[in-house]
Amino acid sequence: AQTVTQSQPEMSVQEAETVTLSCTYDTSESDYYLFWYKQPPSRQMILVIRQEAYKQQNATENRFSVNFQKAAKSFSLKISDSQLGDAAMYFCASLRYNNNDMRFGAGTRLTVKP
Amino acid sequence: KAGVTQTPRYLIKTRGQQVTLSCSPISGHRSVSWYQQTPGQGLQFLFEYFSETQRNKGNFPGRFSGRQFSNSRSEMNVSTLELGDSALYLCASRLDQGAYEQYFGPGTRLTVT
Repeated sequence: AQTVTQSQPEMSVQEAETVTLSCTYDTSESDYYLFWYKQPPSRQMILVIRQEAYKQQNATENRFSVNFQKAAKSFSLKISDSQLGDAAMYFCASLRYNNNDMRFGAGTRLTVKP
Repeated sequence: KAGVTQTPRYLIKTRGQQVTLSCSPISGHRSVSWYQQTPGQGLQFLFEYFSETQRNKGNFPGRFSGRQFSNSRSEMNVSTLELGDSALYLCASRLDQGAYEQYFGPGTRLTVT
């Protein structure tokens, strides 16, 4: 079974600063994907970044990057130069290869202070 | 390309009633998944449909069912509603069963009174 744990219910960051959101997961699969999704107050979930487990290189998307530690089963999200629009719930998720039973963490509510 | 659409956006039902929610995937996407989001349980996978067939199912009672039409549109049905069914129901589509990137709709907020 897959489980995803986000141990930080809430985080806050000053505008223009950097923040890291934590995520750990547990899976017995060898092929899987990891994701960070953002859910702003309007509720629509948006994919922020994804990581294929077989890739050693950490994924990066503009101001968003991950620190993927496969042995430790850790997948943290770093947001650089935080902007007011980054305020949202952030969900970490895992997906087994060729399966669509995506498992989500409980989420981290990020507040960005001006 | 239009995104995933869900109708209705808000719904209020009475305990014991049934409800049907609709999801239209992104054009060309053949896989549709449904999720339930509640403050207590978080996001939970309900089921996935691909080419009109249910491919995966989460751990929900039989009161939750769904179907997919030939145009990939999907409906989710909940019978004999309970107060605990109050939730945001999210639909997500992806290109095909092998694709891992899925796109979410805005959700349907169901309130059961």
